[in-house]
Amino acid sequence: EAGVTQSPTHLIKTRGQQATLRCSPISGHTSVYWYQQALGLGLQFLLWYDEGEERNRGNFPPRFSGRQFPNYSSELNVNALELEDSALYLCASSLGQGWQPQHFGDGTRLSIL
Amino acid sequence: AQRVTQPEKLLSVFKGAPVELKCNYSYSGSPELFWYVQYSRQRLQLLLRHISRESIKGFTADLNKGETSFHLKKPFAQEEDSAMYYCALDNTGFQKLVFGTGTRLLVSP
Repeated sequence: EAGVTQSPTHLIKTRGQQATLRCSPISGHTSVYWYQQALGLGLQFLLWYDEGEERNRGNFPPRFSGRQFPNYSSELNVNALELEDSALYLCASSLGQGWQPQHFGDGTRLSIL
Repeated sequence: AQRVTQPEKLLSVFKGAPVELKCNYSYSGSPELFWYVQYSRQRLQLLLRHISRESIKGFTADLNKGETSFHLKKPFAQEEDSAMYYCALDNTGFQKLVFGTGTRLLVSP
């Protein structure tokens, strides 16, 4: 089975620009999660989408936003990029019924110059 | 705020030696705790969930609420255990995982 796929692998932006990161979940999974892993920090929860709706949100400013499409794929948008947004962004997916393990993608490395 | 602390960035042991990866958490309620592992060139994956009380690849972890710890143990380390290990907590029941900063385990022959 194909795993969680993320694109692009690397993304280079400058301060003030906007970035869009994409995630395709495992077939049959309806929940998508986004995490940020900045240098020296653990993975920090960003967003959880299930069945097209935002279910939970981490402690990030509103310029971090996203959406989930009818096919359950998801986008993470980061507006007004700041240097500290440089990080590895991981997407995970899971089945939507009750507790299910999260399956992670390889991540998108976002670099802000 | 909920927090997961993994005090060791690197743990280096010889093959056959016992391993204990430390994890402490701060949360006043009854959290769900997990260990995730990332092997070289592989994706992050779930290793253990405390509620299932399983032994996976010889690893076990016991939740100690008194000490707010969830240490990962294996009696005899193998070279293939070398990886990055992350302890994580879910306090909301909505899979809002809080991760520690990880411990790299290096098992030498």
